[in-house]
Amino acid sequence: GQNIDQPTEMTATEGAIVQINCTYQTSGFNGLFWYQQHAGEAPTFLSYNVLDGLEEKGRFSSFLSRSKGYSYLLLKELQMKDSASYLCAVADSNYQLIWGAGTKLIIKP
Amino acid sequence: NAGVTQTPKFRVLKTGQSMTLLCAQDMNHEYMYWYRQDPGMGLRLIHYSVGEGTTAKGEVPDGYNVSRLKKQNFLLGLESAAPSQTSVYFCASSPGLADQETQYFGPGTRLLVL
Repeated sequence: GQNIDQPTEMTATEGAIVQINCTYQTSGFNGLFWYQQHAGEAPTFLSYNVLDGLEEKGRFSSFLSRSKGYSYLLLKELQMKDSASYLCAVADSNYQLIWGAGTKLIIKP
Repeated sequence: NAGVTQTPKFRVLKTGQSMTLLCAQDMNHEYMYWYRQDPGMGLRLIHYSVGEGTTAKGEVPDGYNVSRLKKQNFLLGLESAAPSQTSVYFCASSPGLADQETQYFGPGTRLLVL
């Protein structure tokens, strides 16, 4: 079956760095997405990786290793507004997105 | 430019009642999707459409029907609601396939079936 695993919850301190991991087993691979979802709101796009390596976008970076079925989202200089759930999703061989359950990130002052 | 909108925002139904959720997008996207989101689970695809007049089943289509009569609208119907359909429903749209294009989500519809 298809499976996306990510930690249920993480806690970090304002100003620090946090890494959210995602491992996947899917039938085919056509890219990996990270979305941010604030409580009670819609998911919004953060990053997309299809080739191995690191993609950097301001305070956020995303890494992919296709051979290991592994990705991480790195958030630097954490701000209180970064408190949200972070969703990992993989596009499978049919280009359907398979979603992880999300990692709830709690930022403490 | 409103993006993706959903109607209604919240609804309470009794078991056996029917309802239609409306999704509209003004970005001229070809692809539209209906997901449900339940606690502790990832988003699950119910149905999707790759263009006006077309629909296809996703991962969890049972108990739902959809229609895409106009490119900008995607309707999700529940013919006979069940408590297991209590969930948050998200509509999304994208210009193309998931390998290249991100999905843009509506604000969600919170449905409670008693």
